[in-house]
Formats: sequence, C-alpha cells, structure tokens
Amino acid sequence: GAVVSQHPSRVICKSGTSVKIECRSLDFQATTMFWYRQFPKQSLMLMATSNEGSKATYEQGVEKDKFLINHASLTLSTLTVTSAHPEDSSFYICSADRRGTDTQYFGPGTRLTVL
Amino acid sequence: GENVEQHPSTLSVQEGDSAVIKCTYSDSASNYFPWYKQELGKRPQLIIDIRSNVGEKKDQRIAVTLNKTAKHFSLHITETQPEDSAVYFCAASLSGSARQLTFGSGTQLTVLP
Repeated sequence: GAVVSQHPSRVICKSGTSVKIECRSLDFQATTMFWYRQFPKQSLMLMATSNEGSKATYEQGVEKDKFLINHASLTLSTLTVTSAHPEDSSFYICSADRRGTDTQYFGPGTRLTVL
Repeated sequence: GENVEQHPSTLSVQEGDSAVIKCTYSDSASNYFPWYKQELGKRPQLIIDIRSNVGEKKDQRIAVTLNKTAKHFSLHITETQPEDSAVYFCAASLSGSARQLTFGSGTQLTVLP
C-alpha cells in the first residue's frame, strides 16, 4: 500500500509552453501533498505544500504564478509550470502525507526538459 | 528556518564493511529525523526514522543514532552489500512528523564488490 504515482514520467517541451504534472495517491487519501525540485546530484528542495481544497503554501523564492498548484481532491495534486524556460528543466518529485501514518510517500518523479 | 548539513558527500566502502553518514541540524526544536535512500532516477524511499524521544533505533543492518545535545544524528549500515549503493538523504522536521522536511545535501554511497 501507500503508492504515489506521477504523470508524465518524462516530458520535453518548447520554451514558452506550459506543462502539467499530476501526482496521485493511488490507495490512500492525502490531505497534504508536497512538491519538490531536484537538480542533478543535488538534494530535494521543497517548492510548495499543497492542501486539499485550499491554496498552496509556497517556499521562499518560488514563484507562485509560475508554478501553479492545484489540489482538487484527496488523491490528486497538479503542478503546472507556466511559460517554461530551459532553466526550469529539472526533476520534479511529489510526495503525499498519508493520514494516520505520519509518513511522506514519494512519487517516482517527472523529468522535465525545456528546449 | 531549519538547516541540515550532511557529510560526507561521497563514501566508498568495501562490501561487508560498515558505512556511517552524519547529519547536523540547526534548530533544537526539530523532533523527527528520517533517512531516505534514492537510487538513480528513482523516488526517495524511507529506510528508517527516529524521533527526539529516542536515542537509537535499529532495523536489521540499518541503525540511526540521535544526539539531541549536539544536534546531530547518524545513519549506520553494517555488512554493506552492492545493492546498498545509492544516494542517502537525511532530513529533519520541526513538526514532529514527516511534514515540512528539510533535507540534507545527500551522500553518494558506493559499495565495492
């Protein structure tokens, strides 16, 4: 149990386009989901915390208008990278906080490449 | 906010030897310390965690120790195997739970056969 999926696993897009990444908790309800960004050989940097039915809380330095987060249900959160540029190329990982277990379960990540 | 430092950044050991990775944290109020293993291109996976009311926790070949006074915690892997090779991340949380984790910079562990 406690499986988190992400879609797509890889995406290549042109500069200026928008990309949507989905994060789903497949077998449990997640009141909170987290979005991280990871550059090659670096640590996970928390971008934002997404709570079901409310606005996301963004970390300092993360542009909320560029990285749109929607947490429409207890099993789905989406991250939209708007007007993507090459510097947005990165590995984006979501995680979900499972109710009652106090553990974050990570998705498999999405590799975004902006040309 | 919390700041977590992790050392070493790379670690090579011979198969069968032990590996130790150390982390220090800045905020004495932090009370939850998980360790994650991440293989190349894959998701981080929780391997062990410890809370501030415990000084040591062990799970088979893996153990974690916590020194609240010194604000540091360590991961110990005994009898290492090639499949232990991965990047290991420590993290700390102020909330006492897996929420609001601050991650260390990671340690690339290589177990040589």
